[in-house]
Amino acid sequence: DAEITQSPRHKITETGRQVTLACHQTWNHNNMFWYRQDLGHGLRLIHYSYGVQDTNKGEVSDGYSVSRSNTEDLPLTLESAASSQTSVYFCASSEGQYNSPLHFGNGTRLTVT
Amino acid sequence: GQSLEQPSEVTAVEGAIVQINCTYQTSGFYGLSWYQQHDGGAPTFLSYNALDGLEETGRFSSFLSRSDSYGYLLLQELQMKDSASYFCAVRGGSYIPTFGRGTSLIVHP
Repeated sequence: DAEITQSPRHKITETGRQVTLACHQTWNHNNMFWYRQDLGHGLRLIHYSYGVQDTNKGEVSDGYSVSRSNTEDLPLTLESAASSQTSVYFCASSEGQYNSPLHFGNGTRLTVT
Repeated sequence: GQSLEQPSEVTAVEGAIVQINCTYQTSGFYGLSWYQQHDGGAPTFLSYNALDGLEETGRFSSFLSRSDSYGYLLLQELQMKDSASYFCAVRGGSYIPTFGRGTSLIVHP
Protein backbone atom coordinates (compact mmCIF):
# COMPACT_ATOMS: atom_id res chain seq x y z
CA ASP A 1 0.00 0.00 0.00
CA ALA A 2 1.11 3.55 -0.69
CA GLU A 3 2.11 5.57 2.32
CA ILE A 4 3.81 8.71 3.56
CA THR A 5 6.62 8.30 6.08
CA GLN A 6 8.24 10.87 8.32
CA SER A 7 11.52 10.46 10.18
CA PRO A 8 12.56 10.73 12.87
CA ARG A 9 9.40 10.40 14.99
CA HIS A 10 11.04 12.28 17.85
CA LYS A 11 14.01 14.64 17.84
CA ILE A 12 15.70 16.71 20.52
CA THR A 13 18.20 19.31 19.39
CA GLU A 14 19.97 22.35 20.73
CA THR A 15 19.38 25.97 19.84
CA GLY A 16 21.40 27.04 16.82
CA ARG A 17 21.83 23.59 15.28
CA GLN A 18 20.68 22.73 11.77
CA VAL A 19 18.01 20.03 11.68
CA THR A 20 16.46 18.20 8.75
CA LEU A 21 13.16 16.34 8.96
CA ALA A 22 12.52 13.74 6.29
CA CYS A 23 9.28 13.10 4.41
CA HIS A 24 8.93 10.29 1.88
CA GLN A 25 5.75 9.33 0.02
CA THR A 26 5.04 6.41 -2.27
CA TRP A 27 1.72 7.76 -3.57
CA ASN A 28 3.50 9.38 -6.53
CA HIS A 29 1.75 12.63 -5.66
CA ASN A 30 3.03 15.88 -7.14
CA ASN A 31 1.71 18.00 -4.27
CA MET A 32 3.46 17.95 -0.89
CA PHE A 33 3.07 20.14 2.20
CA TRP A 34 4.72 20.76 5.54
CA TYR A 35 2.64 21.91 8.52
CA ARG A 36 3.44 22.59 12.13
CA GLN A 37 0.92 21.98 14.87
CA ASP A 38 0.89 23.88 18.15
CA LEU A 39 -1.77 24.03 20.85
CA GLY A 40 -4.28 26.73 20.05
CA HIS A 41 -3.00 27.26 16.51
CA GLY A 42 -4.14 24.20 14.63
CA LEU A 43 -2.15 23.29 11.54
CA ARG A 44 -0.12 26.07 9.98
CA LEU A 45 1.49 25.77 6.57
CA ILE A 46 5.28 26.13 6.43
CA HIS A 47 6.20 25.28 2.82
CA TYR A 48 4.63 23.46 -0.08
CA SER A 49 5.57 22.03 -3.45
CA TYR A 50 3.51 21.29 -6.54
CA GLY A 51 6.18 19.31 -8.31
CA VAL A 52 9.90 18.61 -8.73
CA GLN A 53 11.98 21.78 -8.41
CA ASP A 54 8.92 23.74 -7.27
CA THR A 55 8.82 25.13 -3.71
CA ASN A 56 6.70 27.86 -2.16
CA LYS A 57 6.53 29.64 1.18
CA GLY A 58 3.56 29.18 3.46
CA GLU A 59 2.18 31.18 6.35
CA VAL A 60 5.06 30.48 8.79
CA SER A 61 8.11 29.91 6.58
CA ASP A 62 10.71 32.04 8.41
CA GLY A 63 13.61 29.89 9.60
CA TYR A 64 12.64 26.91 7.42
CA SER A 65 13.60 25.74 3.94
CA VAL A 66 12.65 22.84 1.66
CA SER A 67 13.95 21.32 -1.53
CA ARG A 68 12.23 19.03 -4.05
CA SER A 69 14.68 17.04 -6.15
CA ASN A 70 12.33 14.12 -6.85
CA THR A 71 8.64 13.29 -6.58
CA GLU A 72 8.91 11.16 -3.44
CA ASP A 73 10.76 13.42 -0.99
CA LEU A 74 10.32 16.86 0.55
CA PRO A 75 12.84 17.33 3.40
CA LEU A 76 12.29 20.24 5.77
CA THR A 77 15.39 22.01 7.11
CA LEU A 78 15.58 24.28 10.12
CA GLU A 79 18.62 26.41 9.36
CA SER A 80 19.35 27.41 12.97
CA ALA A 81 16.91 25.85 15.40
CA ALA A 82 15.14 28.11 17.88
CA SER A 83 13.04 27.25 20.94
CA SER A 84 10.02 28.75 19.15
CA GLN A 85 10.33 25.92 16.62
CA THR A 86 9.53 23.29 19.23
CA SER A 87 6.42 21.73 17.72
CA VAL A 88 4.91 18.71 16.02
CA TYR A 89 5.60 18.70 12.30
CA PHE A 90 3.35 16.98 9.76
CA CYS A 91 4.10 16.27 6.15
CA ALA A 92 1.20 15.67 3.74
CA SER A 93 0.65 14.91 0.08
CA SER A 94 -2.27 15.07 -2.31
CA GLU A 95 -2.95 13.83 -5.80
CA GLY A 96 -4.56 16.95 -7.23
CA GLN A 97 -4.70 20.63 -6.40
CA TYR A 98 -8.47 21.12 -6.26
CA ASN A 99 -10.39 18.51 -4.35
CA SER A 100 -7.95 15.76 -3.45
CA PRO A 101 -7.69 14.88 0.24
CA LEU A 102 -4.42 15.33 2.05
CA HIS A 103 -2.65 12.18 3.22
CA PHE A 104 -0.64 12.89 6.35
CA GLY A 105 2.46 11.27 7.77
CA ASN A 106 2.56 10.32 11.46
CA GLY A 107 4.40 13.46 12.44
CA THR A 108 7.75 14.40 13.97
CA ARG A 109 7.85 15.80 17.49
CA LEU A 110 10.75 18.26 17.63
CA THR A 111 12.07 19.74 20.87
CA VAL A 112 14.62 22.55 20.74
CA THR A 113 16.43 23.05 24.06
CA GLY B 1 -5.57 35.60 2.90
CA GLN B 2 -7.68 32.82 4.27
CA SER B 3 -9.19 32.35 7.73
CA LEU B 4 -11.51 29.83 9.32
CA GLU B 5 -13.48 29.92 12.56
CA GLN B 6 -14.71 26.89 14.46
CA PRO B 7 -15.58 26.31 18.13
CA SER B 8 -12.69 25.25 20.32
CA GLU B 9 -14.60 22.56 22.18
CA VAL B 10 -17.87 20.64 21.98
CA THR B 11 -19.14 18.06 24.45
CA ALA B 12 -21.89 15.47 23.98
CA VAL B 13 -23.06 12.14 25.33
CA GLU B 14 -22.78 8.76 23.70
CA GLY B 15 -25.56 8.11 21.19
CA ALA B 16 -26.33 11.79 20.68
CA ILE B 17 -25.96 13.98 17.57
CA VAL B 18 -23.45 16.83 17.46
CA GLN B 19 -22.80 19.57 14.90
CA ILE B 20 -19.46 21.33 14.48
CA ASN B 21 -19.68 24.61 12.60
CA CYS B 22 -17.09 26.28 10.43
CA THR B 23 -17.15 29.73 8.84
CA TYR B 24 -14.47 30.81 6.44
CA GLN B 25 -13.08 33.78 4.55
CA THR B 26 -11.04 33.07 1.46
CA SER B 27 -10.04 34.56 -1.86
CA GLY B 28 -10.98 31.85 -4.30
CA PHE B 29 -12.76 28.70 -3.16
CA TYR B 30 -12.14 25.13 -4.20
CA GLY B 31 -13.94 23.25 -1.49
CA LEU B 32 -14.33 22.65 2.25
CA SER B 33 -12.92 19.52 3.84
CA TRP B 34 -13.07 17.95 7.29
CA TYR B 35 -10.34 16.00 9.06
CA GLN B 36 -10.30 14.00 12.27
CA GLN B 37 -7.30 13.74 14.57
CA HIS B 38 -7.02 11.54 17.65
CA ASP B 39 -4.54 12.48 20.37
CA GLY B 40 -1.02 11.64 19.27
CA GLY B 41 -2.14 10.71 15.78
CA ALA B 42 -2.15 12.19 12.31
CA PRO B 43 -5.10 14.02 10.76
CA THR B 44 -7.23 11.78 8.57
CA PHE B 45 -9.62 12.89 5.86
CA LEU B 46 -13.36 12.62 6.57
CA SER B 47 -15.29 14.50 3.91
CA TYR B 48 -15.25 17.12 1.16
CA ASN B 49 -17.85 19.56 -0.17
CA ALA B 50 -17.36 21.61 -3.31
CA LEU B 51 -21.02 22.36 -3.99
CA ASP B 52 -23.86 23.48 -1.71
CA GLY B 53 -25.70 20.79 0.15
CA LEU B 54 -25.24 17.76 2.32
CA GLU B 55 -22.80 14.91 1.79
CA GLU B 56 -23.38 11.76 3.85
CA THR B 57 -20.82 9.10 4.70
CA GLY B 58 -22.13 6.64 7.24
CA ARG B 59 -22.61 8.31 10.62
CA PHE B 60 -20.89 11.48 9.41
CA SER B 61 -22.42 14.16 7.19
CA SER B 62 -20.99 17.45 5.98
CA PHE B 63 -22.87 20.50 4.75
CA LEU B 64 -21.80 23.53 2.74
CA SER B 65 -23.39 26.87 1.94
CA ARG B 66 -21.08 28.85 -0.33
CA SER B 67 -23.26 31.97 -0.20
CA ASP B 68 -22.89 32.04 3.61
CA SER B 69 -19.23 30.89 3.62
CA TYR B 70 -20.37 28.30 6.10
CA GLY B 71 -20.24 24.59 6.61
CA TYR B 72 -20.73 22.03 9.32
CA LEU B 73 -19.86 18.48 10.21
CA LEU B 74 -22.67 16.40 11.69
CA LEU B 75 -21.86 13.31 13.73
CA GLN B 76 -24.71 10.95 14.56
CA GLU B 77 -24.97 8.07 17.01
CA LEU B 78 -21.90 9.31 18.82
CA GLN B 79 -19.44 6.73 20.10
CA MET B 80 -16.64 7.10 22.63
CA LYS B 81 -14.13 6.59 19.82
CA ASP B 82 -15.40 9.78 18.16
CA SER B 83 -13.64 11.78 20.90
CA ALA B 84 -11.01 13.61 18.86
CA SER B 85 -10.18 16.95 17.30
CA TYR B 86 -11.97 17.93 14.10
CA PHE B 87 -10.56 20.42 11.63
CA CYS B 88 -12.24 22.19 8.76
CA ALA B 89 -9.99 23.17 5.85
CA VAL B 90 -10.49 25.21 2.70
CA ARG B 91 -8.68 25.20 -0.62
CA GLY B 92 -8.49 28.84 -1.59
CA GLY B 93 -6.25 30.94 -3.79
CA SER B 94 -3.27 29.02 -5.22
CA TYR B 95 -5.12 25.87 -4.08
CA ILE B 96 -3.40 26.10 -0.71
CA PRO B 97 -5.11 23.99 1.98
CA THR B 98 -5.70 26.19 5.06
CA PHE B 99 -6.93 24.68 8.32
CA GLY B 100 -9.05 26.00 11.16
CA ARG B 101 -7.74 25.78 14.72
CA GLY B 102 -9.72 22.65 15.40
CA THR B 103 -12.64 21.62 17.59
CA SER B 104 -12.05 19.20 20.44
CA LEU B 105 -15.03 16.84 20.70
CA ILE B 106 -15.48 15.16 24.06
CA VAL B 107 -17.97 12.30 24.19
CA HIS B 108 -19.21 11.31 27.64
CA PRO B 109 -20.73 7.92 28.46
